[in-house]
Amino acid sequence: AQRVTQPEKLLSVFKGAPVELKCNYSYSGSPELFWYVQYSRQRLQLLLRHISRESIKGFTADLNKGETSFHLKKPFAQEEDSAMYYCALAGGTSYGKLTFGQGTILTVHP
Amino acid sequence: DARVTQTPRHKVTEMGQEVTMRCQPILGHNTVFWYRQTMMQGLELLAYFRNRAPLDDSGMPKDRFSAEMPDATLATLKIQPSEPRDSAVYFCASGSRSARATYNEQFFGPGTRLTVL
Repeated sequence: AQRVTQPEKLLSVFKGAPVELKCNYSYSGSPELFWYVQYSRQRLQLLLRHISRESIKGFTADLNKGETSFHLKKPFAQEEDSAMYYCALAGGTSYGKLTFGQGTILTVHP
Repeated sequence: DARVTQTPRHKVTEMGQEVTMRCQPILGHNTVFWYRQTMMQGLELLAYFRNRAPLDDSGMPKDRFSAEMPDATLATLKIQPSEPRDSAVYFCASGSRSARATYNEQFFGPGTRLTVL
């Protein structure tokens, strides 16, 4: 069974501080992992995926298979980063089906 | 810039009424997903389709929810009869295999905010 856990429902930081949103997964095969972001009352949009190994809006995420984690990090948070962040997993012959975590609401204070 | 569209954006109805939500996936996408978002449960997958055929609807309450794809440009989610606990934001997403990705990437619609009184 696939499972994604985001242990923090709420996360608050000050502008300029580092931020890390935690994501742990459970999956027996090789997972495909994603971070989606939802700004206030907007649609979800893909932020980044692990196979791309890219940095988007200053965010990075590294897949750690040993710890089954895919934490999202940014060294210097900005107020416009305030949003809901979802970690998601796709695995096996799921035809693109994603299993989402519960989401973390990030608030960046000025 | 192709986007998933959903109608209506907002719906307020009374308990017991039928609710129909519509989704137009991105042209050419062959998978469509319906999600429900609440503060308590987060994002829950209700049903999904591939090439218009239902693959999994185990996330839906079968007695009141139904999902269909009458054609490749339209997906519908119906609730009959609606109940106050159905109040949530319902998202539709569509996907297509990307040349870069092993798995489908999903593109979300703006959602339908449903309130059942």
